[in-house]
Amino acid sequence: QVQLVESGGGLVKPGGSLRLSCAASGFRFSDYDVSWIRQAPGKGLEWVSYISGSGKSIYYADSVKGRFTISRDNAKNSVSLQMNSLRVEDTAVYFCARERDFDAAFDIWGQGTRVTISS
Amino acid sequence: EIVMTQSPATLSVSPGERATLSCRASQSVSSNVAWYQQKPGQAPRLLIYGASTRATGIPARFSGSGSGTQFTLTISSLQSEDSAVYYCQHYDNRPPRTFGGGTKVEVK
Repeated sequence: QVQLVESGGGLVKPGGSLRLSCAASGFRFSDYDVSWIRQAPGKGLEWVSYISGSGKSIYYADSVKGRFTISRDNAKNSVSLQMNSLRVEDTAVYFCARERDFDAAFDIWGQGTRVTISS
Repeated sequence: EIVMTQSPATLSVSPGERATLSCRASQSVSSNVAWYQQKPGQAPRLLIYGASTRATGIPARFSGSGSGTQFTLTISSLQSEDSAVYYCQHYDNRPPRTFGGGTKVEVK
């Protein structure tokens, strides 16, 4: 079935790095744009980064620009988020989500992976 | 950057009653608005896109309306399983993708 599965979360010290992965299955992966969205404990949803289906268009939220890098491997049906210079405020559950064909509503979400930044 | 403001923050409604959730955009966003439902410990689920089109498998008691800067999600007859936080989201041709702060719906 159509699904996204995140992995790579964990506990890291401030200033450290982490690489999240999002594995897709059940659909033609290269046809779809993907975003990472995070949710800090007890808070709302915050869009983090976007990558187009081809990988040619990339965008970041101001809060992560210069520290996070999004990439994708269409041959492996996966999207990654490399997170460097991590801060306590990056603590959150990170979701990857697929954008619909004809607009940018997120129709498929992964279950999320938890990232904790603490000394 | 467009800001999406949701109200109220919390809504308490009796089973079978109507729940009306609001979302206001800081500038006109046409009909580029989606609504999501999130239950504790789960990922969000798409309910509505294009301001008023129900996503696949979403019950008919959920409806969306609005355009420009004012949008509404209505749950016509609230069920116990509708207890959740609801988020509106603006999208455009290019990011950023902007979410509202959420409305928590409690079933009395």
